[in-house]
Amino acid sequence: ILNVEQSPQSLHVQEGDSTNFTCSFPSSNFYALHWYRWETAKSPEALFVMTLNGDEKKKGRISATLNTKEGYSYLYIKGSQPEDSATYLCAFKTFGNEKLTFGTGTRLTIIP
Amino acid sequence: NAGVTQTPKFQVLKTGQSMTLQCAQDMNHEYMSWYRQDPGMGLRLIHYSVGAGITDQGEVPNGYNVSRSTTEDFPLRLLSAAPSQTSVYFCASSYLTESRQYTFGSGTRLTVV
Repeated sequence: ILNVEQSPQSLHVQEGDSTNFTCSFPSSNFYALHWYRWETAKSPEALFVMTLNGDEKKKGRISATLNTKEGYSYLYIKGSQPEDSATYLCAFKTFGNEKLTFGTGTRLTIIP
Repeated sequence: NAGVTQTPKFQVLKTGQSMTLQCAQDMNHEYMSWYRQDPGMGLRLIHYSVGAGITDQGEVPNGYNVSRSTTEDFPLRLLSAAPSQTSVYFCASSYLTESRQYTFGSGTRLTVV
């Protein structure tokens, strides 16, 4: 079973501050790395899918980077807003395998 | 534009009962999957399918059956419910492309007593 680790488990950030968190995954046989945003009482929503080493993706104030050689991805949120409060999940996929393995998530709370 | 529809949203079962969780998508996605979400654990894959007539096991398949007779539907059957199957179940679907993103249903909260 592939091990995807996310850190920290939870994070409290003041409104307006920027923050980032990490997803670590096995670097061998890499195919794709996903990020999802999961608000309480809703279902996970896709943020990014990254497939190439050095990929950088951006959506509004949220961006992500990918390092497949060392097996990590960072998610950045610039100028945090209360609506950014959610659990952020990363998930990893290897070549020749249709299974997407999820981490346990980073729970982000923005303090007004 | 329904996306992924799961029914029911809530269910309480007695130990030993059987039931089917329904999942339907209207996006013509080839790939469909079932996950369960338990406190302190990530989403864990139960079963998945890459097309009609094709299914395979995920990480935690025991106690569950699936079938995929159409592209749109991917029901999950609990054969004989156990308290360990108390969980929130999510269905997710996607295209079979390199950069595909998953679309999730709204979840089914199942309690087995």
